Amino acid sequence: QITLKESGPTLVKPTQTLTLTCTFSGFSLSTSGVGVGWIRQPPGKALEWLALIYWDDDQRYSPSLNSRLTITKDTSKNQVVLTMTNMDPVDTATYYCAHKRSPVRGLADFDCWGQGTLVSVSS
Amino acid sequence: DIQMTQSPSTLSASLGDRVTITCRASQSISSSLAWYQQRPGKAPKLLIYKASSLESGVPSRFSGSGSGTEFTLTISSLQPDDFATYHCQQYYSYPLTFGPGTKVDIK
Repeated sequence: QITLKESGPTLVKPTQTLTLTCTFSGFSLSTSGVGVGWIRQPPGKALEWLALIYWDDDQRYSPSLNSRLTITKDTSKNQVVLTMTNMDPVDTATYYCAHKRSPVRGLADFDCWGQGTLVSVSS
Repeated sequence: DIQMTQSPSTLSASLGDRVTITCRASQSISSSLAWYQQRPGKAPKLLIYKASSLESGVPSRFSGSGSGTEFTLTISSLQPDDFATYHCQQYYSYPLTFGPGTKVDIK
């Protein structure tokens, strides 16, 4: 059974850096084909994909946020970490991590999601 | 980037109704499309992948169809658990993109 859970601050100030951790179980990020992504959802708005990391450390980013995002993995801890710099109130959202369903690299739909963590950006 | 649109944005329906939601891509995405259900305050749940493949454990009243730029999600007989928001997502190319969502509420 695959589970994922996001953790991190609930409140950050503008210009600060956000660090979120996704701790998972039921799979290994050292297994060929595995990937974990981050998706966010501002209150009442659409889902927005942010980043994805593959088992071989290939990283993909949203072009609109690329300069602000870094995704890393710690295989020994079963964790994926997302950092987002220069936070702004418009970054207020629920942040989800999710497991990529298919072992095929290009098939990036997500079959298991964490519960999400709401991050508010305010001074 | 591939833009995804959905129609309608809101749909009012009754128990037992057949419901169809449309998702369109700004360019061809072959069959690289997923549908998710999201209940209020909950994470999205995968329903359909590869446009028409039913995810394990998802009731058979859900079905998906389409390829290229136009896709549909159909619920054959609406049940109480189905009142939710539905999102489509393309994974044909990066960046991955989602549609704006379709809310299905009670008529």
